[in-house]
Amino acid sequence: GENVEQHPSTLSVQEGDSAVIKCTYSDSASNYFPWYKQELGKRPQLIIDIRSNVGEKKDQRIAVTLNKTAKHFSLHITETQPEDSAVYFCAARSNDYKLSFGAGTTVTVRA
Amino acid sequence: NAGVTQTPKFRVLKTGQSMTLLCAQDMNHEYMYWYRQDPGMGLRLIHYSVGEGTTAKGEVPDGYNVSRLKKQNFLLGLESAAPSQTSVYFCASSASGLAGQKEQYFGPGTRLTVT
Repeated sequence: GENVEQHPSTLSVQEGDSAVIKCTYSDSASNYFPWYKQELGKRPQLIIDIRSNVGEKKDQRIAVTLNKTAKHFSLHITETQPEDSAVYFCAARSNDYKLSFGAGTTVTVRA
Repeated sequence: NAGVTQTPKFRVLKTGQSMTLLCAQDMNHEYMYWYRQDPGMGLRLIHYSVGEGTTAKGEVPDGYNVSRLKKQNFLLGLESAAPSQTSVYFCASSASGLAGQKEQYFGPGTRLTVT
């Protein structure tokens, strides 16, 4: 099955700086790559996603890039704010039904 | 719309006891999923369903059973709880579509402790 690796496991950034989280996947047939944000004690929520026919997607301060050849995708958060502190999960879909998740990155934004 | 709901929110079991977790969604979604979340391991798929009356195994199905008798409900059963099943359990649902699965919506989670 699909195997998703996520790095780093923890990330501490100064408020206003950028944060980058990277994921790799194993199944070249994967075609959908969502990113979820999970605040402490809350449920995961989708923040952005990208499909395999697109190389980059932006939504305000958040962007995701996809390199199908290298089988990796990244989340970029610019101008970080304290409310960006959370655990972020990447995921990959290799068939129509299932997502495989990375282990998560704990992001801390220092004021 | 309530979205995806889960009951109970918390539960403590003794080893060997059984219990059922209930997931309900009011979005008319075809697909439903059960995950467990453990520190440092992300979300691991236990079982899933692509429609009423159907279920399939995920990544970590041992020790769990599921049923989808109604489209809006997905039940997760533990027949004989073990301490290794201490975890936070999330249910999720998604619609189907021409491009395959859509966004997964998660429930609030159930924190289960097995002593």
